[in-house]
Amino acid sequence: NAGVTQTPKFQVLKTGQSMTLQCAQDMNHNSMYWYRQDPGMGLRLIYYSASEGTTDKGEVPNGYNVSRLNKREFSLRLESAAPSQTSVYFCASRSGGVGETQYFGPGTRLLVL
Amino acid sequence: GEDVEQSLFLSVREGDSSVINCTYTDSSSTYLYWYKQEPGAGLQLLTYIFSNMDMKQDQRLTVLLNKKDKHLSLRIADTQTGDSAIYFCADRVNAGNNRKLIWGLGTSLAVNP
Repeated sequence: NAGVTQTPKFQVLKTGQSMTLQCAQDMNHNSMYWYRQDPGMGLRLIYYSASEGTTDKGEVPNGYNVSRLNKREFSLRLESAAPSQTSVYFCASRSGGVGETQYFGPGTRLLVL
Repeated sequence: GEDVEQSLFLSVREGDSSVINCTYTDSSSTYLYWYKQEPGAGLQLLTYIFSNMDMKQDQRLTVLLNKKDKHLSLRIADTQTGDSAIYFCADRVNAGNNRKLIWGLGTSLAVNP
């Protein structure tokens, strides 16, 4: 049981390049999330998916797209990377039932030059 | 609006107790969470408390909730150097048909030997 996994761990992009961050969970959770974490800004929600086949914008969706490929996988795409997207990106999935806890992946550290 | 506030830094000596405080504004809170983030890692759930509880204890961790003042605290007894990390408070609120987490900016705990 790996929990939430993310690839890649690190990435350097040039301005204008595109890339997809991958996330997968093996806990059979319905809801999945993408956050970015920046110094002094805490965690900000980019997009979330309440269930397979649905996605919704979070607090800072501009410049990003997502795909909920199936129940396990939720990817985040940067179509044309900008330096302002330099950040650490975390994927999370949420359990149901008591507590409804979010479980986080280890993060992807992205540098856009 | 919805907001969660925490002090940014706390420094304690090894063996002392640490108390990390958090205030929140939303009245529809159902669960409140404490997450721990070690350097270079993702967020790990420490504990959560249901909003109708006053206290929850789990080994060295004690969570106190004052719902009237909308104040949450995390006490770590016998703090160890391995407890050095950033601690995030999060508030689960209802947002229409969805639920979302409102995050604090995190409290950096430094444990000095």
